[in-house]
Amino acid sequence: DAGVIQSPRHEVTEMGQEVTLRCKPISGHDYLFWYRQTMMRGLELLIYFNNNVPIDDSGMPEDRFSAKMPNASFSTLKIQPSEPRDSAVYFCASSFPTGAYNEQFFGPGTRLTVL
Amino acid sequence: GENVEQHPSTLSVQEGDSAVIKCTYSDSASNYFPWYKQELGKGPQLIIDIRSNVGEKKDQRIAVTLNKTAKHFSLHITETQPEDSAVYFCAAKKGPEYGNKLVFGAGTILRVKS
Repeated sequence: DAGVIQSPRHEVTEMGQEVTLRCKPISGHDYLFWYRQTMMRGLELLIYFNNNVPIDDSGMPEDRFSAKMPNASFSTLKIQPSEPRDSAVYFCASSFPTGAYNEQFFGPGTRLTVL
Repeated sequence: GENVEQHPSTLSVQEGDSAVIKCTYSDSASNYFPWYKQELGKGPQLIIDIRSNVGEKKDQRIAVTLNKTAKHFSLHITETQPEDSAVYFCAAKKGPEYGNKLVFGAGTILRVKS
C-alpha cells in the first residue's frame, strides 16, 4: 500500500484565495483525520470522519474552513478565503475500523503558505 | 477536555547515551498513550504505545512507562543513535465511547550528537 497520499505537497497562495487540500486514505481504513501543525500551536486536530461522516469538527478554526469526504477514498479540506495565519503544515491521517487503540497513519503533509 | 503536557521541549544527548521524555495528562478517562516520531519533512509515525492496563512496554531500544495514579507516562530511548534525531510527540486518547480523538503533546526535539 502507498500509505496516505496528500496533494499538493506544497501550496503558496495569496491572501483571499481559495485553497483545496486533498487526501487519499489507506484502503480499508474508515477513520480519516485532518490536523494542522504550527510552531505556536503544535499538532491540532481539525476534524475527523468515520465512514465518510464528519464526527467531530470542534477543532475547525472558523467558517472559512470546510472539509468533505464524498467517498471512502477521498477527502478535501478547503479554506476560503485564505489568510496569512492559515500558513501551516496540514496532515491527513487514517486508521483501521473500530477499536480503542488504533494507530493513526499520517500522510506526508501539505505545507501551505499564504502571502 | 484532555490536556497533555510534554517535557522537555528540546533534548540534546551524546550518541550512546539514554534519552527520556515525559508527559502528563489531565483526564483520568484516558486509556491509550501512543508515541509518535516525526522526521524532517514527514508525517508523524507511531513508534510505541501503551494501554492503561499495562505499566511498561519495551521494543528493542525504546520503552514506555505509565503511572496511572500520577497521570504521567514517559518514553525511554537507550543507546541513542544519530537516526533517533527527530521530533517526538506523546498523545492520549480516551475509550471509544468518547470518540476517536488523539490529544498530542507539544513535542520534543531530540538531537543525538555523534
